[in-house]
Order: sequence, then C-alpha cells, then structure tokens
Amino acid sequence: GAVVSQHPSWVICKSGTSVKIECRSLDFQATTMFWYRQFPKQSLMLMATSNEGSKATYEQGVEKDKFLINHASLTLSTLTVTSAHPEDSSFYICSAGGAGVVVNEQFFGPGTRLTVL
Amino acid sequence: EDKVVQSPLSLVVHEGDTVTLNCSYEVTNFRSLLWYKQEKKAPTFLFMLTSSGIEKKSGRLSSILDKKELFSILNITATQTGDSAIYLCAVGNPNSGYALNFGKGTSLLVTP
Repeated sequence: GAVVSQHPSWVICKSGTSVKIECRSLDFQATTMFWYRQFPKQSLMLMATSNEGSKATYEQGVEKDKFLINHASLTLSTLTVTSAHPEDSSFYICSAGGAGVVVNEQFFGPGTRLTVL
Repeated sequence: EDKVVQSPLSLVVHEGDTVTLNCSYEVTNFRSLLWYKQEKKAPTFLFMLTSSGIEKKSGRLSSILDKKELFSILNITATQTGDSAIYLCAVGNPNSGYALNFGKGTSLLVTP
C-alpha cells in the first residue's frame, strides 16, 4: 500500500515559537493532502485540505494565519504552527490521496505529537 | 451538517467474545464509508465500503454497509487482546476532495 511519512514524530517547544511538520508521500504522487488534529480521547478533526500548487482550504474555526499549510510538490505538504501556545498541543496527522491510489481512499502518516510548554 | 455517529462509545469484552460496532451517518453526498483502527499512533485502514449489502472480510474482521438505512457495522469475532484499540468510522466527502468526516470512535478493550 501507499506509504506516508511525517516528521518529526514528536516535538516539544516553548510557547511563542513556530513549529513545522512535514508530510511526505513516499511511493505515490499525492495531489491532495489533508491535515487532521486529534485531542486526547477525541476523534480526528479535519483542519484543512491542501491541493498541490494551490492554497489550502481550511475548515471553519481553523485560523489560516496560525496554521500555515504549503503543498509545494506532489510528495510534500508542510503544516507550520505559528506562535504556538499550550492549547495547540495535540496530535497532528496528515493523510494523502491522489494519483496511484484508489479514489477516495486515504493513507495516513504516523502523526506528530506536539507539546507546547 | 454531515454527521457520523458511532456506538457504543466504549466496550469491554473478554477474549474470545464477538463484538459488533455501529456507525450511522447523515451526509449530503455519500460516496464511501471507511473503518480505521487506531492504537497509539495514526489510524490504520481496515475497510472501505461503497455498495450496500456486500460484506468485506479480513480475517476475523468483517464489515457491511446499508445505504438505505444509512449505517454500517464492523464485526470482530474471537476477539484477542491485540484487538484493543479505538475503531473509527469515517465518511468521505467528495465535495471537499474526499476529506474524511470521522465519528468519535468506539474504544474497545479486550481483557484476557
């Protein structure tokens, strides 16, 4: 099956710093990547949809200036949490779909656990 | 507003038991329903269902979709402690590039 990687796996940072999370599709071209957030004991919530070469579409309630998404190539999307605060601490997961995978099937990265002190 | 509702929220069973997890949905433009298993990290894909009445099977797990009644079930037979996880149901939304709308999940604990 298609493989999606995320980096880093976990990160601890101080309040006010920015953190970048990378999501890569390793063996297929991901025309669309999705970013989800999962708080403890809750389900995954879609944050944004990013299509290669165009601006991301954010879900209601997600601040686009705070969560910057860049999908510059067919194998890489990045999520930057700017000026992170403790309430941004969460598990961030990306998924990818696109050319070479079954339409409407997505493959998830392993996730990035962010802790903001 | 699209909704995906899973039940029960939490379940504790003994090894060897059979469990049935439920997922009902209300979406404006249905294409597919997916089941995932989540342990400590990201969800792992189990099944994708697009047609009513066709059972999908993988080992001790099976799932079926009823598009008329708008629900799906996930069955696990002869449960093992390794089946302990959160099981997530999601519906794909073709209007947003097939982004997934997840239910809250069912937390399954299988005790020895």
